[in-house]
Amino acid sequence: GQNIDQPTEMTATEGAIVQINCTYQTSGFNGLFWYQQHAGEAPTFLSYNVLDGLEEKGRFSSFLSRSKGYSYLLLKELQMKDSASYLCAVRDNYGQNFVFGPGTRLSVLP
Amino acid sequence: GAGVSQSPRYKVAKRGQDVALRCDPISGHVSLFWYQQALGQGPEFLTYFQNEAQLDKSGLPSDRFFAERPEGSVSTLKIQRTQQEDSAVYLCASSLFTQDEQYFGPGTRLTVT
Repeated sequence: GQNIDQPTEMTATEGAIVQINCTYQTSGFNGLFWYQQHAGEAPTFLSYNVLDGLEEKGRFSSFLSRSKGYSYLLLKELQMKDSASYLCAVRDNYGQNFVFGPGTRLSVLP
Repeated sequence: GAGVSQSPRYKVAKRGQDVALRCDPISGHVSLFWYQQALGQGPEFLTYFQNEAQLDKSGLPSDRFFAERPEGSVSTLKIQRTQQEDSAVYLCASSLFTQDEQYFGPGTRLTVT
């Protein structure tokens, strides 16, 4: 079966650092994606990991451990506009099916 | 360039009506995906096209759901005899090839009354 877990909600303060975790159990693995989704809007791509390790992209970094079925998204220097849902998605071996987690709703407070 | 567009953005249907949701992918994108997203949940896969071929429809919840992409570009998701449980946001995404990141449209919010 396919199962992806993320915390439902998180709260952090403007300027701080927050780490959003994602654990997965899927029948196949061909990459893990993080998307940001503001309320009422389309998900937008943030990062992609297929090999173990850390990928850094400005204020956002994403980490993957395939042996542990674990990833995290790290957001630094939080801004109010970072308040959104963050979706973890795993692509299966055949590359055509993305399995999304339930999303983590992040609230950034002043 | 233009992103993925979807129409209508909002649709209210009475239970039992048929609806058709349209997706215009990014020009040249080979792969097209449909997802259903319930409030507060992540998107759930419905179906996938590579050009005009529907290669996976395992996520379609019932035979009332039908999708097509006859010319390998625009796609339509049709729901027949809508039920209240069909109320959700329907997202379309496209990618250049299957292995690439997906670009999402703004979605169609369907409300069945």
